[in-house]
Amino acid sequence: AQKITQTQPGMFVQEKEAVTLDCTYDTSDQSYGLFWYKQPSSGEMIFLIYQGSYDEQNATEGRYSLNFQKARKSANLVISASQLGDSAMYFCAMREGRTGGGADGLTFGKGTHLIIQP
Amino acid sequence: EAGVVQSPRYKIIEKKQPVAFWCNPISGHNTLYWYRQNLGQGPELLIRYENEEAVDDSQLPKDRFSAERLKGVDSTLKIQPAELGDSAVYLCASSPRARTTDGTQYFGPGTRLTVL
Repeated sequence: AQKITQTQPGMFVQEKEAVTLDCTYDTSDQSYGLFWYKQPSSGEMIFLIYQGSYDEQNATEGRYSLNFQKARKSANLVISASQLGDSAMYFCAMREGRTGGGADGLTFGKGTHLIIQP
Repeated sequence: EAGVVQSPRYKIIEKKQPVAFWCNPISGHNTLYWYRQNLGQGPELLIRYENEEAVDDSQLPKDRFSAERLKGVDSTLKIQPAELGDSAVYLCASSPRARTTDGTQYFGPGTRLTVL
């Protein structure tokens, strides 16, 4: 079974509209972290936002917010007031547990290709 | 603060040739990761280092891939010999000590490898 599922291969959104990118995850760990990364055509993975499994409030970073629904195991990314520069691939990722002295590798979804139209 | 540096950015080789990728993590970051990203997919972890120790290399194809992180700073990932299926983007990432942080990983620009 996939640990990270992103069901939207591609999305077209009008500039200035809000957009929600879906992500569901699967883990039996109690402690885990959820991340969203943006990958423009240049290829670099840009960190956007983080949500810890014990965080009670949804994470926010500027125009980005994470709609965390623990019981549903979903961690959707919301981008408010989309801009042309938001066009990129967006990846949801999970870090399960935490080993002593280090951070486990991330498990990524397959991504959503977001295109903002003027 | 300088980000993760990788070189080369692009590499084209013929199959059966060796190739090496270099990564310099963010200063002070103890944990270093190598990922491989196939076309149309998310990155997949190859190996994770804590300082100079490889603590998770379970996904590294050890018959042809090797990695090292001398002195716990820079790292090199090597493929010998390369196969057609190794064509991908190889990403390096680093993070500070996880005991005091959320373990956010910061990625370099990647090396795009094409094997002909």
